[in-house]
Amino acid sequence: AQSVAQPEDQVNVAEGNPLTVKCTYSVSGNPYLFWYVQYPNRGLQFLLKYITGDNLVKGSYGFEAEFNKSQTSFHLKKPSALVSDSALYFCAVRDMRGGGADGLTFGKGTHLIIQP
Amino acid sequence: DAGITQSPRHKVTETGTPVTLRCHQTENHRYMYWYRQDPGHGLRLIHYSYGVKDTDKGEVSDGYSVSRSKTEDFLLTLESATSSQTSVYFCAISELWGADTQYFGPGTRLTVL
Repeated sequence: AQSVAQPEDQVNVAEGNPLTVKCTYSVSGNPYLFWYVQYPNRGLQFLLKYITGDNLVKGSYGFEAEFNKSQTSFHLKKPSALVSDSALYFCAVRDMRGGGADGLTFGKGTHLIIQP
Repeated sequence: DAGITQSPRHKVTETGTPVTLRCHQTENHRYMYWYRQDPGHGLRLIHYSYGVKDTDKGEVSDGYSVSRSKTEDFLLTLESATSSQTSVYFCAISELWGADTQYFGPGTRLTVL
């Protein structure tokens, strides 16, 4: 079975400071990893994904994430936070062994609050 | 929202009534998914489809059924709605399986009284 943990319900960061939203995962095989963002009363928007290759993945809106296989982590980062980054962030995983068209397994989400 | 619409966007219904939610896509993607979002649970997969008339169960399929008679439409039915099915329901699509990105619709907020 695959699972995702987002250990922080909420992360508070001052505008202009770097931000990190944490994610750890568990899969039987190798993972496909995703980050999504949700603004109030909206659907989820794709930010970035890790499939294979370079451990540092760059995505939309200046976000990036680092895949660490030994720590089974995929933390989301941004060098300088904006107030507009305030939203709910979800990490998701799919086991490469899964095959078929089964869906993603999501974490519970982390509220990111950027303070002016 | 990647050519995905969901209808209705909001619905209030009573316990025991049937409810059907519709997901419509204009991307001609093969794979479609239904998730529910609840506080403290993130999103959980209800059912998915890998082609016309080809569907399978997800993590939380009890009390739900689906149908896909056309590539563009994926219907989610609550046969007899219960208060525990009060949730926000999201449809997602992907062109390929595995590593392919899933794109999400705007969601349907369902309240069962």
